[in-house]
Amino acid sequence: DAGITQSPRHKVTETGTPVTLRCHQTENHRYMYWYRQDPGHGLRLIHYSYGVKDTDKGEVSDGYSVSRSKTEDFLLTLESATSSQTSVYFCAISESHTEAFFGQGTRLTVV
Amino acid sequence: AQKITQTQPGMFVQEKEAVTLDCTYDTSDPSYGLFWYKQPSSGEMIFLIYQGSYDQQNATEGRYSLNFQKARKSANLVISASQLGDSAMYFCAMRSFNSGGSNYKLTFGKGTLLTVNP
Repeated sequence: DAGITQSPRHKVTETGTPVTLRCHQTENHRYMYWYRQDPGHGLRLIHYSYGVKDTDKGEVSDGYSVSRSKTEDFLLTLESATSSQTSVYFCAISESHTEAFFGQGTRLTVV
Repeated sequence: AQKITQTQPGMFVQEKEAVTLDCTYDTSDPSYGLFWYKQPSSGEMIFLIYQGSYDQQNATEGRYSLNFQKARKSANLVISASQLGDSAMYFCAMRSFNSGGSNYKLTFGKGTLLTVNP
């Protein structure tokens, strides 16, 4: 299995608080992605990174920011959590164009 | 912009029969790749198969094969000899790529829930 660790795996937080999710990889892959999964929507791309300090927005980036200060870590921050951000968040990594591997997911509940 | 469409929200198949899950895509890039993932009820995303736009043959991985029809922009997943353990959500995804690093965006469809009946 690809070395991808998402933390935390589960989190409950209150509306208005900042939240940071971490994706850590041991594969030295260049590309990293954050998705959210909601029923009826599949996986929607939030942000992605194509190198250290190189990031770009996905289709649902509002309310989220990311940082990648080193190859192995990609952080997703919810600046002020809202109930609409309750979701399952997946991190993915990729090096070649023929593969992409996913972490186990983080279930976030905003109350 | 790239787009993936999976028109079957749910599919049923009898054990040991074959099933085809539909996927159509849209992109203006000449070079791209198509992926299929399986997500069982436990939640993890499992990579199944990959097809490159310039690959001459359809991809196969064990009981999985990809029916790639480039002119129709379709990349259907065929599962042969279905097993009860194949019951899961299946996602089609696409990535366009060229020399620009920012073009490694990976876009998913909404998924198809496959149920295998005994």
